[in-house]
Amino acid sequence: EPEVTQTPSHQVTQMGQEVILRCVPISNHLYFYWYRQILGQKVEFLVSFYNNEISEKSEIFDDQFSVERPDGSNFTLKIRSTKLEDSAMYFCASSDQGGAQYFGPGTRLLVL
Amino acid sequence: AQKVTQAQTEISVVEKEDVTLDCVYETRDTTYYLFWYKQPPSGELVFLIRRNSFDEQNEISGRYSWNFQKSTSSFNFTITASQVVDSAVYFCALSEANTGANSKLTFGKGITLSVRP
Repeated sequence: EPEVTQTPSHQVTQMGQEVILRCVPISNHLYFYWYRQILGQKVEFLVSFYNNEISEKSEIFDDQFSVERPDGSNFTLKIRSTKLEDSAMYFCASSDQGGAQYFGPGTRLLVL
Repeated sequence: AQKVTQAQTEISVVEKEDVTLDCVYETRDTTYYLFWYKQPPSGELVFLIRRNSFDEQNEISGRYSWNFQKSTSSFNFTITASQVVDSAVYFCALSEANTGANSKLTFGKGITLSVRP
């Protein structure tokens, strides 16, 4: 069964460093999303992406964040200058037109 | 604004008991979608069900069943004859269709279900 994959599974970085989280959505899906979950809290929407542009973004998704679909398969989330409060599990999801969102296994980011 | 409330935070049951997880939502849209996801201890989010606002039929899938009631804005999830493998955090989520059928999900805070042998 097709699934969303994410790399790396874990990332430790120093405050102020840039990180890129990678996702490979399900191949026939056209809608892509990033969410995050701070430890022990609920899952929060960051951004959605369709047709090579951002469809919707939350207040969390400020200028420090960017997304890109650099080729036909990858979907990336970049955090330019990480802060301690960016430590969280980051989930990528994808969906087809009108369909349910399927999530990847997540990348656990720890900012020291 | 959309909101999902899962008032129960933790539930503990003994194996083979039935358990119901409650979900209450708020939305101003007439068209919306409701979801349940399971997050086992390994951390991934597993899709369980998606229901649109026009379909109030209850659904059963094996030991899982869902009760959608628009009159009370609730979308409750029942696990029958629970098993230890059901132990997980369960999230209810809502997506409004005003920006399209692929809008963001708004999640509840989740319910931690522990099933004891």
